[in-house]
Amino acid sequence: DQQVKQNSPSLSVQEGRISILNCDYTNSMFDYFLWYKKYPAEGPTFLISISSIKDKNEDGRFTVFLNKSAKHLSLHIVPSQPGDSAVYFCAASRGSGNTGKLIFGQGTTLQVKP
Amino acid sequence: KAGVTQTPRYLIKTRGQQVTLSCSPISGHRSVSWYQQTPGQGLQFLFEYFSETQRNKGNFPGRFSGRQFSNSRSEMNVSTLELGDSALYLCASSSGQGSADTQYFGPGTRLTVL
Repeated sequence: DQQVKQNSPSLSVQEGRISILNCDYTNSMFDYFLWYKKYPAEGPTFLISISSIKDKNEDGRFTVFLNKSAKHLSLHIVPSQPGDSAVYFCAASRGSGNTGKLIFGQGTTLQVKP
Repeated sequence: KAGVTQTPRYLIKTRGQQVTLSCSPISGHRSVSWYQQTPGQGLQFLFEYFSETQRNKGNFPGRFSGRQFSNSRSEMNVSTLELGDSALYLCASSSGQGSADTQYFGPGTRLTVL
């Protein structure tokens, strides 16, 4: 039972354009969502997060949107740069009662072409 | 602040042996979570420690165990290694408090079981 899903294994965009990475979840108890960027053989690097009380959070070129009714979140990267090429994971957690446990999607490999 | 550190970075063991991995969290963080990443299963939660107590546990066999010391450093132990234990083991640290608690990951330990 995969509670967090990233249905697109890969995405290719041109430098300077927008990258949109999508993530769906099934557990309505999730109240905190995070995006991580990962290179092979390295640990995930935290990018941006959003609490379930918000529907949008922005940090520089990165914006995360949360649609609770659809149980869907997306990460927008504008403009995309070649250095953004990596695997992107979305993760979800519940608040109290399920501490320290992140549920990850399977990841989306983003390639930004110069 | 220094980030999360993990030692060793690479490890080769044979079936039946045991292994201990170490994680030093970000200064001031009291929670350490451990994850296993494999190509087939993705990133999966092993367990979380907070103030020297295991607070949460994933669906892994009892061969996987951990502990946390008073300085918040944590160790993970895998006994009777199997070929399927070959993976990237990641630890993450966080404050361990509040629902919007962001985890920051170390570089991981690559374990190969022959």
